[in-house]
Amino acid sequence: SQTIHQWPATLVQPVGSPLSLECTVEGTSNPNLYWYRQAAGRGLQLLFYSVGIGQISSEVPQNLSASRPQDRQFILSSKKLLLSDSGFYLCAWSVRWDPRQGYTFGSGTRLTVV
Amino acid sequence: RKEVEQDPGPFNVPEGATVAFNCTYSNSASQSFFWYRQDCRKEPKLLMSVYSSGNEDGRFTAQLNRASQYISLLIRDSKLSDSATYLCVVSNTGGFKTIFGAGTRLFVKA
Repeated sequence: SQTIHQWPATLVQPVGSPLSLECTVEGTSNPNLYWYRQAAGRGLQLLFYSVGIGQISSEVPQNLSASRPQDRQFILSSKKLLLSDSGFYLCAWSVRWDPRQGYTFGSGTRLTVV
Repeated sequence: RKEVEQDPGPFNVPEGATVAFNCTYSNSASQSFFWYRQDCRKEPKLLMSVYSSGNEDGRFTAQLNRASQYISLLIRDSKLSDSATYLCVVSNTGGFKTIFGAGTRLFVKA
C-alpha cells in the first residue's frame, strides 16, 4: 500500500533562518506531488506541484521554493523565513493523470516563525 | 467571488440528526469534485469523490449539480465521531489546479 511521510511534525524557527521540509512517498511510482499551506483558521493554499523529477510549478509567488530530486521525494525550502511563513504545511500525492482518486496528505509540519 | 465557497458554520447538531453542507464553485471547467474531512490539527482525509450521478457511502451522500455549479454533502444519523471540518474540493482536468474550500465546521453533541 502507498504511504506518505512528512517531517518534522513541528518546527519553531527564527525569522531569517532557512527552512527545509521533506516529504517522501512509498508504494507508488510517478506520483503527482504537492505542497500546501494552511494558515490558522483558513483553507488550504496550493504552493507547488510537480509531475516529475525536476519539474516544479509554483502557484503563489513568495520566498519559498520546492525541488523534486527523486521521483518520490519532494522538498520545500526557504533561504530566509518571514513571520508570515508560519502555518501548517502539508505534502500530498495523487495518481498521475487520474485526479478522480483525490489526494493523500502527509501528517503535516506545523511551522512557527518567531 | 471566491473560487470555492462554503458556509463556515459551525453547525451544531444532536446525535442522530441529518445535516447538509453546500458548496459552490466558480470555474465551470472544473472536472473533479471531492469532500474531505479534517480533524483539528490533523491533515485532511478524503471522505468521498463526487460524481455527476450522485453517490452514497453508508450514511454519507454527495451530489453534484454542474448546471448550478453546486456540490452538497448529506450526513444522516450523525455520530459524535462525525465532528470535524468538512472541506469541499474542486479540481481541473489533470488535477493540478485544485481549490480547497475553507471548510464547514460540524459539532455533533450527545
